[in-house]
Amino acid sequence: GEDVEQSLFLSVREGDSSVINCTYTDSSSTYLYWYKQEPGAGLQLLTYIFSNMDMKQDQRLTVLLNKKDKHLSLRIADTQTGDSAIYFCAETNTGFQKLVFGTGTRLLVSP
Amino acid sequence: NAGVMQNPRHLVRRRGQEARLRCSPMKGHSHVYWYRQLPEEGLKFMVYLQKENIIDESGMPKERFSAEFPKEGPSILRIQQVVRGDSAAYFCASSRDSFISPLHFGNGTRLTVT
Repeated sequence: GEDVEQSLFLSVREGDSSVINCTYTDSSSTYLYWYKQEPGAGLQLLTYIFSNMDMKQDQRLTVLLNKKDKHLSLRIADTQTGDSAIYFCAETNTGFQKLVFGTGTRLLVSP
Repeated sequence: NAGVMQNPRHLVRRRGQEARLRCSPMKGHSHVYWYRQLPEEGLKFMVYLQKENIIDESGMPKERFSAEFPKEGPSILRIQQVVRGDSAAYFCASSRDSFISPLHFGNGTRLTVT
C-alpha cells in the first residue's frame, strides 16, 4: 500500500528557515498536502500542491515537489515560535479525499 | 462561518461500553470523513460518507465500528464494546466537493478507554 515518511523532529532558532521533508511511495499521487497540528487541536491545512507542479509559494511557505524522487518539502521562512507544532505531509490518488498521512514532524522553534 | 464541530472533546469509557462521537460539517459541506490518530502516529482514514450514504468504509474495522450521516443532524461514529486499543483521537473532516476542495478538520474527540 501507499506509504508516507517524515523525519520525527526538527529544531531551529527563531528567524531561521525550516525545511521539513517528506517522501512517498505512490507514483500516482495527485495532490500532496501539508497540515499543521498544534497541541490538542485539529489539523490546519497550510498548503497543497498538484502533482504536475514543481513549486508553490504562499507568503512564508514554499513547497517543492520532486516527482521523480517522490520527495516533497515544506520550507518556512523566518520561522517564529508560533510555528512550533507537528507538521503532517499527506497524499491522495483517489477521486475523493482519502488521504494517506505521514507520522508527522515535530518542529520546535527556540527564541 | 463555523468550522467543523466535533463533540465531545474528551470522552472516557470503560471497557465494554459504547462510544458515540458526533461531527457537524462546515456549512455547505456534504462530504464527511472520519480519521483516527493513535498516539505518536499520523492520521489513518476510516470512512467517507455523503448524506445518507457510506461511500468508502475500507479503513474502518469490520467489527464494533459503524458510521452514519443522516439527512438531518450530525454524522455519528459509533464504537460498541470499546477496548483499550480504541483509545485514540478521532477526527472528522468535511469538504464541499469530493475531489478538488480541500478537507477542513475538526478539533477531534479524544477517547480514553479505562
